[in-house]
Amino acid sequence: GAGVSQSPRYKVTKRGQDVALRCDPISGHVSLYWYRQALGQGPEFLTYFNYEAQQDKSGLPNDRFSAERPEGSISTLTIQRTEQRDSAMYRCASSLAPQATGPPADEQYFGPGTRLTVT
Amino acid sequence: AQTVTQSQPEMSVQEAETVTLSCTYDTSENNYYLFWYKQPPSRQMILVIRQEAYKQQNATENRFSVNFQKAAKSFSLKISDSQLGDTAMYFCALSTTDSWGKFQFGAGTQVVVTP
Repeated sequence: GAGVSQSPRYKVTKRGQDVALRCDPISGHVSLYWYRQALGQGPEFLTYFNYEAQQDKSGLPNDRFSAERPEGSISTLTIQRTEQRDSAMYRCASSLAPQATGPPADEQYFGPGTRLTVT
Repeated sequence: AQTVTQSQPEMSVQEAETVTLSCTYDTSENNYYLFWYKQPPSRQMILVIRQEAYKQQNATENRFSVNFQKAAKSFSLKISDSQLGDTAMYFCALSTTDSWGKFQFGAGTQVVVTP
């Protein structure tokens, strides 16, 4: 596709349910990032991948959050046993070159986000 | 740990005028990159400009320029000849050598350009 896509765009779920958020990066982009953004705040780093390898997951808030990218393309962010405090916009971004081996020379292209509401 | 601070929640500027957004950061790393991203009402994130810490020359992209003061850990963005399309949220971000892909964003500054 032309850009990073995310699905669903909106998700309303009840507290205690699991949700899976999908990110489809730009074709050929090696690095993929997940962020959480509260209204009126900057993106908060969650995790990132180079190819299928998760490079840094230090931003995941707790063990209810996990992410995978099994084939080095599409990624899924899963939140188990959702809580109301998980409500936020979840943004995905991708960049062309791997980010582990050197400075971030490449621009990150952000997707439109998934607005998650936990009731 | 690194932090990025944007102390101006909102700034207003008239068309064709100049506005400067402030950003301060803290890191113990010597090698890092700084960025300014723009988020218009569409909520998309657009890279405006980036600065490599080891380069003394301030980065410039058309009407956008930065004032990078490494010793003071300051990284301000100047928007010259402001246009209505510059109305957006502007985020300062930091990426360092300990984890290049881990971007630390500031809270943002809302810029409103008025006719």
